[in-house]
Amino acid sequence: AQRVTQPEKLLSVFKGAPVELKCNYSYSGSPELFWYVQYSRQRLQLLLRHISRESIKGFTADLNKGETSFHLKKPFAQEEDSAMYYCALSHISNFGNEKLTFGTGTRLTIIP
Amino acid sequence: GAGVSQSPRYKVAKRGQDVALRCDPISGHVSLFWYQQALGQGPEFLTYFQNEAQLDKSGLPSDRFFAERPEGSVSTLKIQRTQQEDSAVYLCATQQGSSGNTIYFGEGSWLTVV
Repeated sequence: AQRVTQPEKLLSVFKGAPVELKCNYSYSGSPELFWYVQYSRQRLQLLLRHISRESIKGFTADLNKGETSFHLKKPFAQEEDSAMYYCALSHISNFGNEKLTFGTGTRLTIIP
Repeated sequence: GAGVSQSPRYKVAKRGQDVALRCDPISGHVSLFWYQQALGQGPEFLTYFQNEAQLDKSGLPSDRFFAERPEGSVSTLKIQRTQQEDSAVYLCATQQGSSGNTIYFGEGSWLTVV
């Protein structure tokens, strides 16, 4: 069975400081991992996916298969980064459809 | 509309009441998902439609939960005889085509059972 763990429910970081949101996963197959973000009063939206290997809003995430991790990082936090962040693992179900398994989320607060 | 639209946004139901939650997908999106998000938790998969066909209902927690998408567009999630443990945000998400494309979420329907 697949599992996603986000060990920090809350994380506070000063503006301009580096940010790291931790995500570990458990999956027997080849994982496809995502970070989703939910800003205050907005819907859940995709931030980035590991296969794209791109930086979005200054955030990057590297898949480490040896450590089964997909931590989200940003070198200099900005106030607008305050939000709820969810790590998610995508897999194909027995019925052939894509399914997302989410972690419990980390609420990031940037202190001005 | 530009995004996935859900209604009602907020619903308070008395225990034992039936509720129906509606999802209007992004036009042309073949795949439609329902997720349940309890307080303090991440979203959990309930069911999946490809057009009008409900291909995966493995996440539905009990036979009180029923979903349909009769014409392959709008979907309704129905919960019969609601219980307090049904209190959650119900998220609809849609996807163009099948796996590999971005999944877009609606704002959710907040259900409180009292």
